[in-house]
Amino acid sequence: AQSVSQHNHHVILSEAASLELGCNYSYGGTVNLFWYVQYPGQHLQLLLKYFSGDPLVKGIKGFEAEFIKSKFSFNLRKPSVQWSDTAEYFCAVIPLSGGYNKLIFGAGTRLAVHP
Amino acid sequence: GAGVSQSPSNKVTEKGKDVELRCDPISGHTALYWYRQSLGQGLEFLIYFQGNSAPDKSGLPSDRFSAERTGGSVSTLTIQRTQQEDSAVYLCASSHEDRNHSPLHFGNGTRLTVT
Repeated sequence: AQSVSQHNHHVILSEAASLELGCNYSYGGTVNLFWYVQYPGQHLQLLLKYFSGDPLVKGIKGFEAEFIKSKFSFNLRKPSVQWSDTAEYFCAVIPLSGGYNKLIFGAGTRLAVHP
Repeated sequence: GAGVSQSPSNKVTEKGKDVELRCDPISGHTALYWYRQSLGQGLEFLIYFQGNSAPDKSGLPSDRFSAERTGGSVSTLTIQRTQQEDSAVYLCASSHEDRNHSPLHFGNGTRLTVT
């Protein structure tokens, strides 16, 4: 079945550690890719997105993600995390197969950053 | 401007009762999604409305679930004969009609508890 996979369900890091959260999707063809974040007690918000062009995209708060088409991956990275990055992170995909298509989310990765 | 508004914010109901959850999207947004967020389950797609097109209902888990969108604006998600496994946070999101997909704007959700 077509899906979005986030391999790490829980990640615990110390401040200043580097972060990489994996995301793989199983849709063939062209896709739009997103990372959303949900901070404790807040609603989901967009972190970054990829539609086309440079496969390395920059988002808010120092996050970036790299689209590797051959690996069907869109991993999220941050060189040095802060306590305030504690949140749940969701990868999401829109497979573009003509017309309008729905946004499908991965199961999420819960990140805890300890001071 | 106003964001996506969902009501009620919390709903406790007895098993077997029907419930209605309401979503007021951002004015002018033609795309509207319902998702379900359960502990450890991530974001489960339920239904997608886009303009005047027939809704994509492929994510509805059973025929007890239905949704309407009246006048291309307000949407209601109805769960009939609720079961305990329906307990979750039900999230609504909207975006502009845009093939490249404008970011989703999420509401704060309705936390449904079935006792």
